[in-house]
Amino acid sequence: AQSVAQPEDQVNVAEGNPLTVKCTYSVSGNPYLFWYVQYPNRGLQFLLKYITGDNLVKGSYGFEAEFNKSQTSFHLKKPSALVSDSALYFCAVRDDNTDKLIFGTGTRLQVFP
Amino acid sequence: SAVISQKPSRDICQRGTSLTIQCQVDSQVTMMFWYRQQPGQSLTLIATANQGSEATYESGFVIDKFPISRPNLTFSTLTVSNMSPEDSSIYLCSVEDVRTVNTEAFFGQGTRLTVV
Repeated sequence: AQSVAQPEDQVNVAEGNPLTVKCTYSVSGNPYLFWYVQYPNRGLQFLLKYITGDNLVKGSYGFEAEFNKSQTSFHLKKPSALVSDSALYFCAVRDDNTDKLIFGTGTRLQVFP
Repeated sequence: SAVISQKPSRDICQRGTSLTIQCQVDSQVTMMFWYRQQPGQSLTLIATANQGSEATYESGFVIDKFPISRPNLTFSTLTVSNMSPEDSSIYLCSVEDVRTVNTEAFFGQGTRLTVV
C-alpha cells in the first residue's frame, strides 16, 4: 500500500535561515507526490507536485522540493525562511490503484524572528 | 484552480444534533470529496460525493452518520448526524477537475466543528 511519512512533528527555524521539512514515501509504482500547506483556520493550499522529470520541483511562495528516488524522499525546502511561512505542512502521495490522495501526519513549521 | 466556498466556517453544536456543511465550487468539477481532520491529526477521507447518486464511503464511515448530497457538478453538502464530542474536527471539502494521478486537489477553508 502507498504511504508517506513525515518524521518530524515540528520544525523550528530562525527567520532568514534555510528550512527543510522531511517526507519519505512508499509506493508500488511510480510516485506522484504533493506538498500542501495549511495556515491557521484555513484549508489546505497546494504548493507543488512531482510527477516526472527534474528532481528539483519549484512551487509557490519560494518553496521547492527535491525528489530522491534512491532515498525515497521528497523533502520540502526553502532557502530563506519567513515568519509568515509558519504553518502546518502536509506531504501526500497519489495511490495509483485507487487514485486517492494519502496524506502524511503533517509537520508544524515554526519560524522565529 | 477552483475557488471553493465552504460554510459555515465554524460552529459549536450540542450533542445529539446534526449539522449540514455546504461546499460550493466556482466551476464544474468532476470529483468532490469530504475529509475529516481530527485535532492534531492528518486528513482522513470520509467519502466521494457522486453527482446524482449515492456517495462512496470509506471504511469506517457510513451514510447514516454522514449523509452526503451532490445535486450538481458545483455543489455538495455533508451532514454530521447525531453528533457526539468525538465528532469535533475540521471538515474539509475538496475538488479535483480530472481524476488522474498527476492532478492536484483543491480544498475549501474547512469547517471547524466543536460538539459540546
